[in-house]
Amino acid sequence: EVRLVESGGGLVKPGGSLRLSCAASGFTFSDAWMSWVRQAPGKGLEWVGRIKSKTDGGTTYHAAPVKGRFTISRDDSKNTVYLQMNSLKIEDSAVYYCSRVGRGYWGQGTLVTVSS
Amino acid sequence: SYELTQPPSVSVSPGQTARITCSGDALPKKYAYWFQQKSGQAPVLVIYEDSKRPSGIPERFSGSRSGTMATLTISGAQVEDEGDYYCYSTDSSGNNEVFGGGTKLTVL
Repeated sequence: EVRLVESGGGLVKPGGSLRLSCAASGFTFSDAWMSWVRQAPGKGLEWVGRIKSKTDGGTTYHAAPVKGRFTISRDDSKNTVYLQMNSLKIEDSAVYYCSRVGRGYWGQGTLVTVSS
Repeated sequence: SYELTQPPSVSVSPGQTARITCSGDALPKKYAYWFQQKSGQAPVLVIYEDSKRPSGIPERFSGSRSGTMATLTISGAQVEDEGDYYCYSTDSSGNNEVFGGGTKLTVL
C-alpha cells in the first residue's frame, strides 16, 4: 500500500522559516520524482516544485512564486522528501501536499499558516 | 508562465453527460491528467495520460485530447460525482508542472 505522510506544518510569522517532511512507503522511493503541491483555503491546487530521482540527476524545479525562497531536497536512505520554506509570506498559507502526481499518490496534507 | 484554462463551473442533471475542458498550448505534446477533489480531501486521480483510467475509477469517466484541448467526460453523471476537477500537465520543457484553475461540477 502506498503511503505519503507529511509533517512539519504549523503557525509561523511572516519572514519565518519552516521545514516540511514527507515520509513515503509502498513504492521504490529512490526511483520516484516527487512533487510538492499546495492549496490555499478555498482556492485551487498550485504546483510548488519537483525533485527528480538521483539517477535522473536529482534536479529540482520550483514554481515562480516560491523560487529563491523554497528548496526541495530528498534523503533516499529515509524515503523522505523535504520542503524548506524561508522568508514566508502570508500568501504562502495553505495545505501542503507531497505527491507523485502522475501516479496519483497523495499525502493527507499538512497545514501551514503564516500570520503575525 | 504556462497556464491551463478550465471553465469555473459545469452543471448537469443526474444521468446527463458532463464535459469539462482544459486548454493549454503545450497539450499537443504533453499528456493531460485529471483529478477529482471533494471538500476536505486529497485529490484523486481519475484519468492519466489523456485517456487511461486507474483501477477503481468507474467506467463513466473518460478522457480525450485533441490539439490544445483535453476533455474529461462523465457519461451518466451521478450525484456522487460532484466536486472540483483539476487538469494537470507540464509545460513544453517538461520541467514545470501546472494545474488548471479547477472546475466545480454540480449534479442536480
